[in-house]
Amino acid sequence: GESVGLHLPTLSVQEGDNSIINCAYSNSASDYFIWYKQESGKGPQFIIDIRSNMDKRQGQRVTVLLNKTVKHLSLQIAATQPGDSAVYFCAENKMDSNYQLIWGAGTKLIIKP
Amino acid sequence: DTGVSQNPRHKITKRGQNVTFRCDPISEHNRLYWYRQTLGQGPEFLTYFQNEAQLEKSRLLSDRFSAERPKGSFSTLEIQRTEQGDSAMYLCASSFPTGGKSKSYNEQFFGPGTRLTVL
Repeated sequence: GESVGLHLPTLSVQEGDNSIINCAYSNSASDYFIWYKQESGKGPQFIIDIRSNMDKRQGQRVTVLLNKTVKHLSLQIAATQPGDSAVYFCAENKMDSNYQLIWGAGTKLIIKP
Repeated sequence: DTGVSQNPRHKITKRGQNVTFRCDPISEHNRLYWYRQTLGQGPEFLTYFQNEAQLEKSRLLSDRFSAERPKGSFSTLEIQRTEQGDSAMYLCASSFPTGGKSKSYNEQFFGPGTRLTVL
């Protein structure tokens, strides 16, 4: 079936370095993508989103890149901080069925001091 | 704190018992979602309400599961005759499609979840 998935289950990064978390999707009809951060014991927290008519969107210390040709999504976190330690999920959605997010399995980001 | 609350935060029950969880969404949000999440996995969609109307139910939602949102505000999720496979985190989220507190198209604000353990 069609799915959203992540390449790496765990990513370990030195504090201060940049982090890149990748995600592959297979549903070509998806036109809206979201990155969520989930800290231990908490619900997912929205980070940034991007629509399929864009290939890049920037937020505060975060950038999402969308490559529709290869159905690839990435999240870049600049100057990684200890508070960035969490599991990161990408999720997809179709804007004409905007109630249901389809989620990948998650990447755990570990920050080394 | 996103403004979405869930109770209880933890529930331990014996197999065969019924359990009920409550979600209080952000007050002006008209959409409410229930998800189930197991360890290391992304949330799986269960069901969705727009105001008091339940518009979509996943195939995961067996006949032992029922959800309500009687006045279009809080929602309850009930699991009857619980099984060990029901052990998971149950997440509630709410959204408002345009404007409001949502920063984007369909930002869903999640509660802290209710962790269910079925013995």
